[in-house]
Amino acid sequence: NAGVTQTPKFRILKIGQSMTLQCTQDMNHNYMYWYRQDPGMGLKLIYYSVGAGITDKGEVPNGYNVSRSTTEDFPLRLELAAPSQTSVYFCASRSNQPQHFGDGTRLSIL
Amino acid sequence: DAKTTQPNSMESNEEEPVHLPCNHSTISGTDYIHWYRQLPSQGPEYVIHGLTSNVNNRMASLAIAEDRKSSTLILHRATLRDAAVYYCILRDPNSGGSNYKLTFGKGTLLTVNP
Repeated sequence: NAGVTQTPKFRILKIGQSMTLQCTQDMNHNYMYWYRQDPGMGLKLIYYSVGAGITDKGEVPNGYNVSRSTTEDFPLRLELAAPSQTSVYFCASRSNQPQHFGDGTRLSIL
Repeated sequence: DAKTTQPNSMESNEEEPVHLPCNHSTISGTDYIHWYRQLPSQGPEYVIHGLTSNVNNRMASLAIAEDRKSSTLILHRATLRDAAVYYCILRDPNSGGSNYKLTFGKGTLLTVNP
């Protein structure tokens, strides 16, 4: 199994650009999550989903949007990139225990 | 949410046991204690979790104090590959919306010396 796959691994954006971070899982998990991790800090929850068609805000949702049209995919959209969104983004999924994480997308906004 | 307190960093020698402490004095009766670790440039990975009894798996052991206000993650023989940030997290599976998420603090940075 591939587990949780995130693309791209690295990206540099200009201020004001938009992009979509892709996340897909092949474990048929209902729950999916997006976190961001700033340097030297723990992970902060951006959005989560408890199943296809259902999403909800986490701790730091401003500036982001998500959708969950299928069980497998949970893309994260940045509409107007800002320097404060420079971070490493992790996607995760789970059924019961535990959460399975992808390897992250390193995003820099200049 | 109940909070956890961990040392910022710890150091160990290869092939020696490591005891990583976590204080959670405001833990509720239904909070599970979870441990994850994050290797350099990787996403977090699950290590172990427990409620009241001590737990063992192939990666580590979890020792939970009788009053549940603290716990210790035990790596029996540290290897260089165990160098990572270790997160102690409380999660209540019956807490409604917060049931669905993990709240990560800064964790403990474990350095393993050869």
